[in-house]
Amino acid sequence: QKEVEQDPGPLSVPEGAIVSLNCTYSNSAFQYFMWYRQYSRKGPELLMYTYSSGNKEDGRFTAQVDKSSKYISLFIRDSQPSDSATYLCAMSVNYGGSQGNLIFGKGTKLSVKP
Amino acid sequence: DVKVTQSSRYLVKRTGEKVFLECVQDMDHENMFWYRQDPGLGLRLIYFSYDVKMKEKGDIPEGYSVSREKKERFSLILESASTNQTSMYLCASSSLSGLGFGEQFFGPGTRLTVL
Repeated sequence: QKEVEQDPGPLSVPEGAIVSLNCTYSNSAFQYFMWYRQYSRKGPELLMYTYSSGNKEDGRFTAQVDKSSKYISLFIRDSQPSDSATYLCAMSVNYGGSQGNLIFGKGTKLSVKP
Repeated sequence: DVKVTQSSRYLVKRTGEKVFLECVQDMDHENMFWYRQDPGLGLRLIYFSYDVKMKEKGDIPEGYSVSREKKERFSLILESASTNQTSMYLCASSSLSGLGFGEQFFGPGTRLTVL
């Protein structure tokens, strides 16, 4: 069983739709959860960062962590064509050091059609 | 604007060649990382460094080495390139403060093809 599982998609939605992206994981020691966005021919950039369980909202984006189910989600409201990118979840046990290394999901490719 | 730059966007090398990939960051970050990204496999950590002259193996260090002689520069070396090292190579850096390893700043990547 892989440590982090993420459906690669591709996912295609119309503009304005609510998008739900998800990852499951097996290591219950993960405490830090991130979502990175990667545009075509670019490096990933950090989108959302959550420590432990709960929700975090930033504009149209909401990150949720359910540690009991080992499941994290990213919701995008009122999706825009500019949201078209690959979204990678990432998680780590610790803040830094060898336990701080990020374990990435494979990424979900999202396309938002005008 | 924070920046991580990589020496080449595209590189074509022959099997057996020694290959150097250079990464420079201008954010005075302590931590630097080298990943490779392959379709269906995602991002995998090759090596990381948390200080000058320090290095730690990541998940897939075989066939690679690294050098960090200056804080801002982290080099990835393929001693004898092989076709299975054809990949997108991404460099990243992060600060000890703030979000730690969680907030990594990535370069644009180097697409390496080994023939």
